[in-house]
Amino acid sequence: KQEVTQIPAALSVPEGENLVLNCSFTDSAIYNLQWFRQDPGKGLTSLLLIQSSQREQTSGRLNASLDKSSGRSTLYIAASQPGDSATYLCAVLSGGSYIPTFGRGTSLIVHP
Amino acid sequence: KAGVTQTPRYLIKTRGQQVTLSCSPISGHRSVSWYQQTPGQGLQFLFEYFSETQRNKGNFPGRFSGRQFSNSRSEMNVSTLELGDSALYLCASSLRQTGDEKLFFGSGTQLSVL
Repeated sequence: KQEVTQIPAALSVPEGENLVLNCSFTDSAIYNLQWFRQDPGKGLTSLLLIQSSQREQTSGRLNASLDKSSGRSTLYIAASQPGDSATYLCAVLSGGSYIPTFGRGTSLIVHP
Repeated sequence: KAGVTQTPRYLIKTRGQQVTLSCSPISGHRSVSWYQQTPGQGLQFLFEYFSETQRNKGNFPGRFSGRQFSNSRSEMNVSTLELGDSALYLCASSLRQTGDEKLFFGSGTQLSVL
């Protein structure tokens, strides 16, 4: 059974810092890994999708990497801004039924 | 292109009642999946529908059910509500839900059971 862990659970940083959020998974036989952002009480917004054959994806200030052999993905946020404050979740798609397994998320606060 | 639409946004019910939530996927998307999100359990998969057929089901009691219509819109129903059913219910859509697609989520329905 796939298990997904996100560390740290919470993070508070001053504006302008570069951040690294971690996502680890137990079963390396994955189809893809997706990073999401969730604002309080709202739905999930897709940030980046990394296919199992890819090593990284970039979008603006965001860069996500994937290392299947070690069961890890990192989300790098450059030059953080207060508007980046949200919970970041990773979801791993694996197994024949294409059911995603979500981590519990990292709650990020970027203060001015 | 309109996103995933969920209605209603908020619901307050009492124990024992039943509730129906609605989800309209992105135009052209045929897969709709449902999730329950609580502070204690995080995001848990409920079920997934594709072309009006339930293709996958999570580990939830039979009080939770769903269906999908020919236009891909989906509804989920919870009967005999319990206090523990209070949660944010999210639906997501994708073209076919295979291994190479993004999931797109709605804003969710916040259900409170009193």
